[in-house]
Amino acid sequence: KAGVTQTPRYLIKTRGQQVTLSCSPISGHRSVSWYQQTPGQGLQFLFEYFSETQRNKGNFPGRFSGRQFSNSRSEMNVSTLELGDSALYLCASSGLGYNEQFFGPGTRLTVL
Amino acid sequence: KQEVTQIPAALSVPEGENLVLNCSFTDSAIYNLQWFRQDPGKGLTSLLLIQSSQREQTSGRLNASLDKSSGRSTLYIAASQPGDSATYLCAATQGGSEKLVFGKGTKLTVNP
Repeated sequence: KAGVTQTPRYLIKTRGQQVTLSCSPISGHRSVSWYQQTPGQGLQFLFEYFSETQRNKGNFPGRFSGRQFSNSRSEMNVSTLELGDSALYLCASSGLGYNEQFFGPGTRLTVL
Repeated sequence: KQEVTQIPAALSVPEGENLVLNCSFTDSAIYNLQWFRQDPGKGLTSLLLIQSSQREQTSGRLNASLDKSSGRSTLYIAASQPGDSATYLCAATQGGSEKLVFGKGTKLTVNP
């Protein structure tokens, strides 16, 4: 069974640009969550999606948005990039019943 | 608001030693407690999941315990090996959400 996949793996953008990251969950998993990891703040929750509905949202500005498609694949978008958005963005998927969560390899975003 | 703390932030041990990593949480109304391993620049690998009704879980040389009343979880690693060197993270979820609240992690170094 294939694991969680994330594309692209690395991105370099400049301030003011926007970026879209993609996450494909494990087959059969309907829940996808996104996290931002930085050396200073650690892992912080961005959003959680289940069956195309955002079920929970973290404390991030409106520049951060996401969505989930009918095949459970998810995307997150960051508009008007700032230097502080440089981070490792991780997504996780899980099956029914709030069970074990599995993470993808992450997308490393660098904002110059 | 759930807060998760891991002490120490870093630990260095000689190969073969048994060791314990600590995780504490402020809200005992957790649903799951999950332990992860992260290698530098990589995603998170799930090690063990303990549901709130359980007191411990074992996988190979790893044993995780959960004491909700005291707000603590421990990860025991037996006969440590250099390949165990990584950052270990614990995270808690609460009912009705997949949101993981993470500690800052313990960076483990096992010296040959």
